[in-house]
Amino acid sequence: NAGVTQTPKFQVLKTGQSMTLQCAQDMNHNSMYWYRQDPGMGLRLIYYSASEGTTDKGEVPNGYNVSRLNKREFSLRLESAAPSQTSVYFCASRDHRTRAYNEQFFGPGTRLTVL
Amino acid sequence: AQTVTQSQPEMSVQEAETVTLSCTYDTSESDYYLFWYKQPPSRQMILVIRQEAYKQQNATENRFSVNFQKAAKSFSLKISDSQLGDAAMYFCAYSSNTGNQFYFGTGTSLTVIP
Repeated sequence: NAGVTQTPKFQVLKTGQSMTLQCAQDMNHNSMYWYRQDPGMGLRLIYYSASEGTTDKGEVPNGYNVSRLNKREFSLRLESAAPSQTSVYFCASRDHRTRAYNEQFFGPGTRLTVL
Repeated sequence: AQTVTQSQPEMSVQEAETVTLSCTYDTSESDYYLFWYKQPPSRQMILVIRQEAYKQQNATENRFSVNFQKAAKSFSLKISDSQLGDAAMYFCAYSSNTGNQFYFGTGTSLTVIP
């Protein structure tokens, strides 16, 4: 099992460009998440999806959109990148329905720089 | 929303010694779960240990143990016999029994001194 995979690992964008971060999990998890990690601020939730076909805003959703394409895939889109979106982005998944104490499994992260 | 506070941005410990990382949280719920994650320089988030709030016994995983004080809303991580590979950022996290979100603290950067 690959677990949670993310592409790309690194990306440099110019202000105003758009891009999509891809995430996939092969653990048959119901829930998927997108976080951003900035120095001194921990992980902040951007969006999450409790199940296929549903998405909800997290703490910092502005400037982002998401798509839960199917049970495996959850993508994050930046329509018009801004320097404030320079960050490390993590995708995570979790099997919440079978056991509430299950942890989140994380992908390796994407380091995004917006110039 | 629940808040998780890690008041120690940085900590250091001598190799083979013991260190305790602090975490407090704020919640009105009675049933929830607490986690400690480790993030080494590779950036990969790794689960270290978890605690179910309804269990009074503190969780342990080899050299890692927690001190869970429910009334005080405190959840500290003790690392015994520290090793160089323990050097990492450590995050405390909260998850309720009913909700689906995790709430993370801002992290503690642990340095292990040879």
